Amino acid sequence: RKEVEQDPGPFNVPEGATVAFNCTYSNSASQSFFWYRQDCRKEPKLLMSVYSSGNEDGRFTAQLNRASQYISLLIRDSKLSDSATYLCVVTPSGSARQLTFGSGTQLTVLP
Amino acid sequence: NAGVTQTPKFRILKIGQSMTLQCTQDMNHNYMYWYRQDPGMGLKLIYYSVGAGITDKGEVPNGYNVSRSTTEDFPLRLELAAPSQTSVYFCASSPITGITDTQYFGPGTRLTVL
Repeated sequence: RKEVEQDPGPFNVPEGATVAFNCTYSNSASQSFFWYRQDCRKEPKLLMSVYSSGNEDGRFTAQLNRASQYISLLIRDSKLSDSATYLCVVTPSGSARQLTFGSGTQLTVLP
Repeated sequence: NAGVTQTPKFRILKIGQSMTLQCTQDMNHNYMYWYRQDPGMGLKLIYYSVGAGITDKGEVPNGYNVSRSTTEDFPLRLELAAPSQTSVYFCASSPITGITDTQYFGPGTRLTVL
């Protein structure tokens, strides 16, 4: 079983749609959780951290369910500029801040 | 601040050749990392460093070496290039303080081994 698993997509949605991505992780002792965004042929960039209580940043909402070892990202009112690959990222415990990456979910927002 | 810079941007190597991928950060971060990303895959950790003079292996270290003589620089060495090392290589850095473990990535080096 992969440490971090994501639906690879692709997700093709029209502008203005709401889209949700899911991610599961295998290490129950994982400490920190993130969503990174990676544009085509570019480096990953932090989109948002994911907290146990859930958190929101504008049109983006992240949720964490530790009991089910599940992370989600919801994007509301999708924009063309949201087209990218979204990487689910987990920090295992005692890891010297190492990150474990999922393979990513590809999103294309269509006009 | 330039952030994390990597050179070269692109490189083609022949099997058996050697090269060094350069990485420099100007944010005074203690932690630095090297990842590789194969097509359609997530990033895999090759080596990391928690400070000058300290390095450790990640998930996929075979075929690579690193050194960390200064806080700013973390070069990655390929000694005998193989086609399996064709990939995009990302360097990243992270501050020692803070709880979010944010990593800042360089723009990447695209390496092809033929």
